[in-house]
Amino acid sequence: SQTIHQWPATLVQPVGSPLSLECTVEGTSNPNLYWYRQAAGRGLQLLFYSVGIGQISSEVPQNLSASRPQDRQFILSSKKLLLSDSGFYLCAWSVRLGRYTFGSGTRLTVV
Amino acid sequence: SQKIEQNSEALNIQEGKTATLTCNYTNYSPAYLQWYRQDPGRGPVFLLLIRENEKEKRKERLKVTFDTTLKQSLFHITASQPADSATYLCALDLSSGNTPLVFGKGTRLSVIA
Repeated sequence: SQTIHQWPATLVQPVGSPLSLECTVEGTSNPNLYWYRQAAGRGLQLLFYSVGIGQISSEVPQNLSASRPQDRQFILSSKKLLLSDSGFYLCAWSVRLGRYTFGSGTRLTVV
Repeated sequence: SQKIEQNSEALNIQEGKTATLTCNYTNYSPAYLQWYRQDPGRGPVFLLLIRENEKEKRKERLKVTFDTTLKQSLFHITASQPADSATYLCALDLSSGNTPLVFGKGTRLSVIA
């Protein structure tokens, strides 16, 4: 069966520290992968998406970057976190014309 | 400008009644429209997908309609239960899967016993 793993579940990081969030998918090949951020009381903001290894599209210029080193691995990074990077980060996968399957999310608090 | 709007931020209804949530969009021509449920602190979960040439789709107590003339989708939960309390998100597929979904901000539904 297809599953998506996202970790950690919660993270508290100081301003200026680096960030690495990892997402892996099992049970499917060549999925489309997505990183979304959801601020409190707001909708889902698409940050990055990838249709294949090494192919990353950025939707919003910001302090974050993404990489896809393997077919089913998607990593969200930052070299120096800002207070405004706080939020609920969600990874998702899909195949074309299909539903999105989301991970359980990472609650990031930058202090 | 392009917009996707869900009728209200929050909706309270009595248990047993039908909940109706609205998703309106402007300056989009979606091929598909999807609805998701999100519980607090969790990722959204897919509920239903409806294509532009479909008027209505049903799944158990859920019903979705899609009117491309009105640029609107309605999401109904019949015989609502407190367990249906959650945030419901609509999402537009603009290019048959070639570009990411565009999500609305969601409607927080509370079903009161």
